[in-house]
Amino acid sequence: DAGVTQSPTHLIKTRGQQVTLRCSPKSGHDTVSWYQQALGQGPQFIFQYYEEEERQRGNFPDRFSGHQFPNYSSELNVNALLLGDSALYLCASSLGPKSSGANVLTFGAGSRLTVL
Amino acid sequence: SQQGEEDPQALSIQEGENATMNCSYKTSINNLQWYRQNSGRGLVHLILIRSNEREKHSGRLRVTLDTSKKSSSLLITASRAADTASYFCATGENAGNNRKLIWGLGTSLAVNP
Repeated sequence: DAGVTQSPTHLIKTRGQQVTLRCSPKSGHDTVSWYQQALGQGPQFIFQYYEEEERQRGNFPDRFSGHQFPNYSSELNVNALLLGDSALYLCASSLGPKSSGANVLTFGAGSRLTVL
Repeated sequence: SQQGEEDPQALSIQEGENATMNCSYKTSINNLQWYRQNSGRGLVHLILIRSNEREKHSGRLRVTLDTSKKSSSLLITASRAADTASYFCATGENAGNNRKLIWGLGTSLAVNP
């Protein structure tokens, strides 16, 4: 049973460029959440996708956008990269709001983005 | 936004000792979860305690929840070097379909062999 897979694992970009990160959720999960984690900090919620729509969003600018595909996989796009966007980007999958269970997340290993 | 505040920020103990980490939160919650993160990797779910529970055990883990004080503690007994990691609490809110978790800053645990 595959867990959450993310790609790429590491990437280096320069300021002003754009980046796309990809995530495949755990089998059976239909909801994908994206988090940004700076070094030494806790995860910061970016947004959550369910049924191909952005359902919730954290305090991130419009430069951060996403998409969910019919197979539940997801992409995170960041435009006009800033030095401060350097972080570990984590994807987490879970069961959607129609599930009676608690929102327990399964995380991928993350994509380490360095902006120079 | 961060809600949970873990205490202490860093903890260093010897193998075999117990490690206790605390988490405080601000709003009404549906559940509280603890996750573990090895250096630079993804987080792994450890244990969930619901707002109507006071204590829960899983192997060497013991979690308590005091909703009157809006706080939780995670106890790791008989620690091992492999327990070295960062530990985060995350709270799930009571808000209908709002299934966003709010995270603390984490406790960095070092278990010395």
